Amino acid sequence: QQPVQSPQAVILREGEDAVINCSSSKALYSVHWYRQKHGEAPVFLMILLKGGEQKGHEKISASFNEKKQQSSLYLTASQLSYSGTYFCGTELTGANNLFFGTGTRLTVIP
Amino acid sequence: GAVVSQHPSWVICKSGTSVKIECRSLDFQATTMFWYRQFPKQSLMLMATSNEGSKATYEQGVEKDKFLINHASLTLSTLTVTSAHPEDSSFYICSASIRATWNEQFFGPGTRLTVL
Repeated sequence: QQPVQSPQAVILREGEDAVINCSSSKALYSVHWYRQKHGEAPVFLMILLKGGEQKGHEKISASFNEKKQQSSLYLTASQLSYSGTYFCGTELTGANNLFFGTGTRLTVIP
Repeated sequence: GAVVSQHPSWVICKSGTSVKIECRSLDFQATTMFWYRQFPKQSLMLMATSNEGSKATYEQGVEKDKFLINHASLTLSTLTVTSAHPEDSSFYICSASIRATWNEQFFGPGTRLTVL
């Protein structure tokens, strides 16, 4: 039930944009996005509910296509602080737990 | 708000001993708590889901007799790794959620377990 993320890793220069994709084989109720720094717990970024939500905060936004069971996270004008591993967490309809994706390691360099 | 703590932050133990990890929601009552295990450079793998006052629901492949979960109150859940072995060494993370229309999870800082 683990969702698949792509790409597995990406290196950006400061100011560049990135897109991280999350794909599930199951019908989803919601998608959660988290960022994890090395040795730390995941930090919540945002939740998208079924219904085709799009959401954003500052320069990070996301969309959820429930028909395709896919979500994408958009990072614009990346900053050094964006470096970390990004995980999507998928919640199935009728469940109250999350299955985390395979992760995308993002490195932003000066 | 919505702070979750874990104790201890790290623990080193000998093979065969049992280790207890506590997870507390400090400023809210958590309807549900979750326990995850994360190996280096891998994703978080859900081990079990626990609701206060009821038995935990374990994911497939997780031994309930080895990983004992007690959810004694709305603010405390414990994970006990019984008869720990080196292959149990991992980063254990708990999270807590408040039931609402969306189940946002608040993560604890994690506990690094090393079994010698």
